[in-house]
Amino acid sequence: AQRVTQPEKLLSVFKGAPVELKCNYSYSGSPELFWYVQYSRQRLQLLLRHISRESIKGFTADLNKGETSFHLKKPFAQEEDSAMYYCALSLAGGTSYGKLTFGQGTILTVHP
Amino acid sequence: EAGVAQSPRYKIIEKRQSVAFWCNPISGHATLYWYQQILGQGPKLLIQFQNNGVVDDSQLPKDRFSAERLKGVDSTLKIQPAKLEDSAVYLCASSFWGASYEQYFGPGTRLTVT
Repeated sequence: AQRVTQPEKLLSVFKGAPVELKCNYSYSGSPELFWYVQYSRQRLQLLLRHISRESIKGFTADLNKGETSFHLKKPFAQEEDSAMYYCALSLAGGTSYGKLTFGQGTILTVHP
Repeated sequence: EAGVAQSPRYKIIEKRQSVAFWCNPISGHATLYWYQQILGQGPKLLIQFQNNGVVDDSQLPKDRFSAERLKGVDSTLKIQPAKLEDSAVYLCASSFWGASYEQYFGPGTRLTVT
C-alpha cells in the first residue's frame, strides 16, 4: 500500500529565509505527487502537482524517484506562506485514479 | 463559482447516537469524496463517488458508516452508532472527472463524540 511521510510536524523560519518542507513516499509504481495547502480559516486547496512543473507562489517541488521524495521549496519565505502543508500521492490511472493519500501535514510558520 | 457546501459545521453527540452530514459539490463536478481527518493527521479517504456510483469505499467502516449520492449531485454521510474514535473533521471534496488530482474541498464538519 502507498504511504506518504512528512517528517516535520512544525517548521519555523524567518521572513526571507529559504524553506524546504520534506515529503517522502513509498509506492512501487508511478505515482502522481501533489502539495495541498490550508491557510488559516480557509479550505484545503491544491498548491501544485509534480507533472505541471510549475512554480506557484514561488514554491517548487521536484519529484525524485530515486529517493522517493517530493520536497517543497521556496528560496525566500514570506509571512503569508504560514499555513498547513500536506503532501499527497495519487495512483496514476485505473480505478484508484483520484484517490489521494495524504501525509500528516507540516505547519509552516514564517516569522517577521 | 460557489464552492463545496457542507452542513452542519459543528456537531456534538454522545456515543451510540447517530449523525448525518450533508455535502453539495461544485456544479458540474461528477466526482465526490468524503474524507475523515483526525486531529494531527492528514485527511483519509472514506468513499469516492463517480456520479451516483461508488468508485472506492475500501476504507469506509461499513458496520457503522454509510454514504449515498442518490441523484449524482449532493451526498450524505451517516454514522450509526457513533464511537468516541469517530471524533474528527469530515471533509467533502469534489472534482471534474478526468481531473481528479484537483479536488475542491468544503469547510468540513467537526464532529465531537462524548
